Amino acid sequence: KQEVTQIPAALSVPEGENLVLNCSFTDSAIYNLQWFRQDPGKGLTSLLLIQSSQREQTSGRLNASLDKSSGRSTLYIAASQPGDSATYLCAVRSSKLTFGKGITLSVRP
Amino acid sequence: DVKVTQSSRYLVKRTGEKVFLECVQDMDHENMFWYRQDPGLGLRLIYFSYDVKMKEKGDIPEGYSVSREKKERFSLILESASTNQTSMYLCASSLERHTAFFGQGTRLTVV
Repeated sequence: KQEVTQIPAALSVPEGENLVLNCSFTDSAIYNLQWFRQDPGKGLTSLLLIQSSQREQTSGRLNASLDKSSGRSTLYIAASQPGDSATYLCAVRSSKLTFGKGITLSVRP
Repeated sequence: DVKVTQSSRYLVKRTGEKVFLECVQDMDHENMFWYRQDPGLGLRLIYFSYDVKMKEKGDIPEGYSVSREKKERFSLILESASTNQTSMYLCASSLERHTAFFGQGTRLTVV
């Protein structure tokens, strides 16, 4: 059974810091990995999707990498802003879409 | 833009009631999913569907059923609501092996 882990559960950083969010998964037989953002009480917003054949994807200040063989992905956020405060979830796609529990990020002004 | 619409944002039901949660997507996606989200437990998959009239159990299907009579609509049914089904319910859709898009969520309270 696929398991997805995100550690730590919460992170607080000062504004302007570059940061890395980690995601690990146990079964490397995946089609893709997706990073989402969730604001309190809301649904999930897709940030980036990396297909299993890709190594990384970039969107604005966000960069996601994938190392399928080691079962790891990172989401890099450059020059963090208070508006980046949210919960970030990663999910791996095989026959199902399996989620980690998320990292709650707080960016302090 | 892809739109996934859940019929209600907030719902309050009584124990024992039959509850229907509706999800509609407008992008002709084959795959649709139902999750529940609880503090400390994350998102857990209840059921998913690859195509019309097809359904697969997820990790926590007990107490739930689903219906997919049309491609755009995926319904989650609580046959007899119980208090432990109080949760945030999230629907998603995607093309095969592509980006999943989520609805805004339904916060269900069973009293």
